[in-house]
Amino acid sequence: EAQVTQNPRYLITVTGKKLTVTCSQNMNHEYMSWYRQDPGLGLRQIYYSMNVEVTDKGDVPEGYKVSRKEKRNFPLILESPSPNQTSLYFCASSFQGRYTEAFFGQGTRLTVV
Amino acid sequence: ILNVEQSPQSLHVQEGDSTNFTCSFPSSNFYALHWYRWETAKSPEALFVMTLNGDEKKKGRISATLNTKEGYSYLYIKGSQPEDSATYLCAFPDDNSGNTPLVFGKGTRLSVIA
Repeated sequence: EAQVTQNPRYLITVTGKKLTVTCSQNMNHEYMSWYRQDPGLGLRQIYYSMNVEVTDKGDVPEGYKVSRKEKRNFPLILESPSPNQTSLYFCASSFQGRYTEAFFGQGTRLTVV
Repeated sequence: ILNVEQSPQSLHVQEGDSTNFTCSFPSSNFYALHWYRWETAKSPEALFVMTLNGDEKKKGRISATLNTKEGYSYLYIKGSQPEDSATYLCAFPDDNSGNTPLVFGKGTRLSVIA
């Protein structure tokens, strides 16, 4: 089954404790991206990747890192989480960024206390 | 940052009513316009990807039209059902950053009352 898998689904952590949210897709998509969703603000892009070893900042990259060492995986790293990173996070992939539909993971609800 | 506007923000309709909402986007350098449906506690799912001016796409009772010259797209739902209750998102590629993924509008939240 074609899918984008995120883990964990829910996470509560403390300020400053490094964490990684994993994202994996099995569709051989070149494009992957991370979004955060906050009430009243909609989905905002954090980072995206057009292929292996090619990543770039989205609209709200501060406090986040990503890597794309393999085509299928695109982890999101919070080196020192802060409460303002409490949010709902989505990973998405698509075959070709502009012209093909994006497939979303199940979402990760992160709370930083 | 690219601006994608959706209206209305929310909408309440009775079961059986037909409804429509709007997505506005910059009309210059058009590439594609995406529509997604996002049910509560689930992930957004693609409805349509539209690329040509005048394009009209249909999936069951849901259809969409596209006007790239004036920068808008309409999403129509015919005979709304409670299971149509969701947030409908449109998205537009941010061409200023190259061939990138999508910039999303804030969505129209539809509630269909039985």
